Order: sequence, then structure tokens, then C-alpha cells
Amino acid sequence: RKEVEQDPGPFNVPEGATVAFNCTYSNSASQSFFWYRQDCRKEPKLLMSVYSSGNEDGRFTAQLNRASQYISLLIRDSKLSDSATYLCVVNRGFGNEKLTFGTGTRLTIIP
Amino acid sequence: EAQVTQNPRYLITVTGKKLTVTCSQNMNHEYMSWYRQDPGLGLRQIYYSMNVEVTDKGDVPEGYKVSRKEKRNFPLILESPSPNQTSLYFCASSLSGWGRAAEAFFGQGTRLTVV
Repeated sequence: RKEVEQDPGPFNVPEGATVAFNCTYSNSASQSFFWYRQDCRKEPKLLMSVYSSGNEDGRFTAQLNRASQYISLLIRDSKLSDSATYLCVVNRGFGNEKLTFGTGTRLTIIP
Repeated sequence: EAQVTQNPRYLITVTGKKLTVTCSQNMNHEYMSWYRQDPGLGLRQIYYSMNVEVTDKGDVPEGYKVSRKEKRNFPLILESPSPNQTSLYFCASSLSGWGRAAEAFFGQGTRLTVV
């Protein structure tokens, strides 16, 4: 089983729709969780950290379910500029700064 | 401007010819890493460094070397490149999180082709 698993997509979604991605992780000792965004042929950039209580940043909402070991990202009122690959990122365990990256979910917003 | 700078951005080389990809960060970060990104495999860590003169292997270290003589620089060295090292390479830096992973800042990437 992969340490971090994501549905690769592609997700083709009309502009203005709501879209949700899930990601599962295998290491129950992981304590740091992130969503990164990567545009085609560019470097990954942090979209948001994911906190235990869930957190929101504008149109983006991230949730963590430790019992089931999954993380979700919800994008509301999607924009054309949201088209990108979204990477789920998890640290390797308690006291471990090393990160494991999922292979990414590719999202295309259609006009 | 806070940034991680990699050079070169694109490189085509021949098998066996030693090369170095430079990485420099201006954020005074302790933690630096090198990753390679391949289709279907995601980002995989090659080497990392917790601080000056402290380096360790990541998940795919074979065929690579690194050094950390100064805090800001973390070059990646391929002593004898082979075609299976053709990939997109990223350098990243972050604050040492005292056991908690912190936000990683990535360089713009180096697309390496070994023929």
C-alpha cells in the first residue's frame, strides 16, 4: 500500500461547481498534513495546511479524519485559475520532518 | 523576495559526464531537500540536510551526492549520470520544525535529460 494515495483524476469540472478530493495515508503516527498545488511544469506551492479541527481559507476547506486516516480538500465556486494538480502531503511520523507526497489529483475547470 | 533558486533550469547531458545542479535559498532555513518527480511516481526525496555539514539519504539516493558547506547552498551532484536519472528535479527548503514538518518552499525545478 502506498504511504499516501490519491485519485489521479483527471477531474473535469464546470466553472462555478464544487469539487472535492480525498487522500488516504497509511502511517497512523503522521502529524503534519498539507495540500500543495502544482501548475503544469512548475514547482509545488503550499495551498494550505490541514488541522485536526478542519480549516478554511476562502473557497478552500480542508478536513482531517485521523480515525480513518484520510484528508479532504473542498473547492467551492471553482474558477478557471483553480486548474492544477493538487498534491496531498503527509509527514513520516511523530518527530519526523520528512514529507511523503501523493502523486496528485489533476483538476481542470471548464468554462 | 524569499526564494529558492536552482540552476540550470534545463540540462541535456551525456551518460557519464559529471554534473552539478545548484540550489540556493535566502530564507535562512535549516532544512533542505532534493526531490525528483517522475510521471506516476510523484515527488521522491533523494537527499536531505538538517543543517550545515549534516546530510542524509532520502528514498532514492543511488547515483547522487550532496554537500552542505554553507546554510544557504545545497548542490546536487551526479558523478556519472545515466539515462534513468532523466527526470524533473526540485530543491526545497523549510524551517526546522522541531519534529513537525513545516512548509516547504520549492525551487523552479531542473529538467534533466541524460542521453
